[in-house]
Amino acid sequence: AQSVTQLDSQVPVFEEAPVELRCNYSSSVSVYLFWYVQYPNQGLQLLLKYLSGSTLVKGINGFEAEFNKSQTSFHLRKPSVHISDTAEYFCAVSDLKGAQKLVFGQGTRLTINP
Amino acid sequence: GAGVSQSPSNKVTEKGKDVELRCDPISGHTALYWYRQSLGQGLEFLIYFQGNSAPDKSGLPSDRFSAERTGGSVSTLTIQRTQQEDSAVYLCASSLVASNQPQHFGDGTRLSIL
Repeated sequence: AQSVTQLDSQVPVFEEAPVELRCNYSSSVSVYLFWYVQYPNQGLQLLLKYLSGSTLVKGINGFEAEFNKSQTSFHLRKPSVHISDTAEYFCAVSDLKGAQKLVFGQGTRLTINP
Repeated sequence: GAGVSQSPSNKVTEKGKDVELRCDPISGHTALYWYRQSLGQGLEFLIYFQGNSAPDKSGLPSDRFSAERTGGSVSTLTIQRTQQEDSAVYLCASSLVASNQPQHFGDGTRLSIL
């Protein structure tokens, strides 16, 4: 079984500042890793995914994440945030084989202040 | 192209009534998932359909919950004898077949049990 821990439930940041949203996971098998974003009253939108290869993954809207196997982490970063980045962010993992059901973290609410 | 479509977007019903939630996946996506998003439990996997294989029902919380997928496309999630703890947003997702394919989410159905 897998579990995902998002260490911060809320992160307030000023506009144009950098941000890091932390994610750690636990699994007895290798997993795929994902970050999703949820805007108010909407479903989840994929930001980026790590499947294999380079540990630095670039996604949409200027976000990137780095997979660290030894620390079982997959932190999300953006060098300069915008008001429009205000949303809830979810880290998730899935098995490499079998049903691809996602196991989600509890989410981090990112609030961008002007 | 069209994304995952869910209906209704909102549903308010009385405790004890049955409800049906509908999901239209992206055309060509043979994998379909239901998740539940609630304040107390976060995002939880409910059920997974893949082609003609038997569904993975391991996430259904009780026997009041059931789901079917007709013709390999549209899916219906049914909750019988609804309880107040069933109040949540029910999200549907679909994907192509392969464990590394991302899931695409609908905007969800917000279910409120009075």
